[in-house]
Amino acid sequence: NAGVTQTPKFRILKIGQSMTLQCTQDMNHNYMYWYRQDPGMGLKLIYYSVGAGITDKGEVPNGYNVSRSTTEDFPLRLELAAPSQTSVYFCASSDFEAFFGQGTRLTVV
Amino acid sequence: GQNIDQPTEMTATEGAIVQINCTYQTSGFNGLFWYQQHAGEAPTFLSYNVLDGLEEKGRFSSFLSRSKGYSYLLLKELQMKDSASYLCAPGGSQGNLIFGKGTKLSVKP
Repeated sequence: NAGVTQTPKFRILKIGQSMTLQCTQDMNHNYMYWYRQDPGMGLKLIYYSVGAGITDKGEVPNGYNVSRSTTEDFPLRLELAAPSQTSVYFCASSDFEAFFGQGTRLTVV
Repeated sequence: GQNIDQPTEMTATEGAIVQINCTYQTSGFNGLFWYQQHAGEAPTFLSYNVLDGLEEKGRFSSFLSRSKGYSYLLLKELQMKDSASYLCAPGGSQGNLIFGKGTKLSVKP
């Protein structure tokens, strides 16, 4: 039982590049979330989804895009990467308690 | 919007009891979650309160007062492995899950 799987685990991007962080869950959860966590700080909600085909902005959506074409997948797209997007990104899914992936550590240089 | 307040850091002694407070203001409320996050790891679920009162689960208890917008997490018989950050998260009625900045607990011998 894999739970929530995020790929990649680590990535270095150059300023202006783009990339997609992948997130897949096998628990048939309706709710999915993307967070970023800067060093020593709390989790900030980027985007969330309450079901396939439905997404909504969280606290810090600028510079990111998401889609939810299936229940299982919730990819996060970074366009025109900036140093301010250097962070650890967590994906989570829930129908009650949230289960988190192991995170993606992204550095933009 | 949401406003969540927790102490930034706390220190306690092994074997002691510690209470971590959380006050919140939300535009919609769908229960309050507590999560534990060890350094470098993903958060994991600890407890959930939707009704006023105390929920006990082993060494961990959580209390909620909806009218006061107040919750606390009580950790008894502290162990060194309890050194972690503790995150308060009021669930929003729209399905969003916003976290406080977290309380970093250090347990000393």
